[in-house]
Amino acid sequence: DQQVKQNSPSLSVQEGRISILNCDYTNSMFDYFLWYKKYPAEGPTFLISISSIKDKNEDGRFTVFLNKSAKHLSLHIVPSQPGDSAVYFCAAGDYNNNDMRFGAGTRLTVKP
Amino acid sequence: DAGVIQSPRHEVTEMGQEVTLRCKPISGHNSLFWYRQTMMRGLELLIYFNNNVPIDDSGMPEDRFSAKMPNASFSTLKIQPSEPRDSAVYFCASSPDRAIKSPLHFGNGTRLTVT
Repeated sequence: DQQVKQNSPSLSVQEGRISILNCDYTNSMFDYFLWYKKYPAEGPTFLISISSIKDKNEDGRFTVFLNKSAKHLSLHIVPSQPGDSAVYFCAAGDYNNNDMRFGAGTRLTVKP
Repeated sequence: DAGVIQSPRHEVTEMGQEVTLRCKPISGHNSLFWYRQTMMRGLELLIYFNNNVPIDDSGMPEDRFSAKMPNASFSTLKIQPSEPRDSAVYFCASSPDRAIKSPLHFGNGTRLTVT
């Protein structure tokens, strides 16, 4: 049962343009959401998070948007850089439980 | 801080053999998670521990899988007997608090190949 879904396995954008990665979730109990970035042969690393009391969180070039009614969140990277090329995982959790559920990941390629 | 340490980095074994994956969490972290990454399902939560106690093992696929955390600095994930469909990258992660409050710190994973 995939409670967190990333329907786009890959995305390719030009350097300097905006990258938009999408994520949908099904569990209405989720109240905290995170994005992780993963380079080859390494474990995922935390990128940015948002709680359900907010609809936007920004950190430098990275912004996460949350639409609770649609159970949808997105990660915007602007401007995109070649070093952003990686697999991005969306994750969601419920404060009453300690587990984090991840999506299948989206491979982002930023072309110079 | 050395981060989460997993061993081995790569494991190749034959079907039917026992496989043991090891994890040393970051010192002071009281939550530990085992995840499996596959192309089809992405990162799946297998089991997590809080203060060395297994809290939720509903993600463990079959009885062939077992996990232990004998102390705060060590955990193992065992597959016995292993099957080709177990081939995947297995990640261990730790957190200083509830994962909902503190992002997970992942190890570099163990790539398991069962032939």
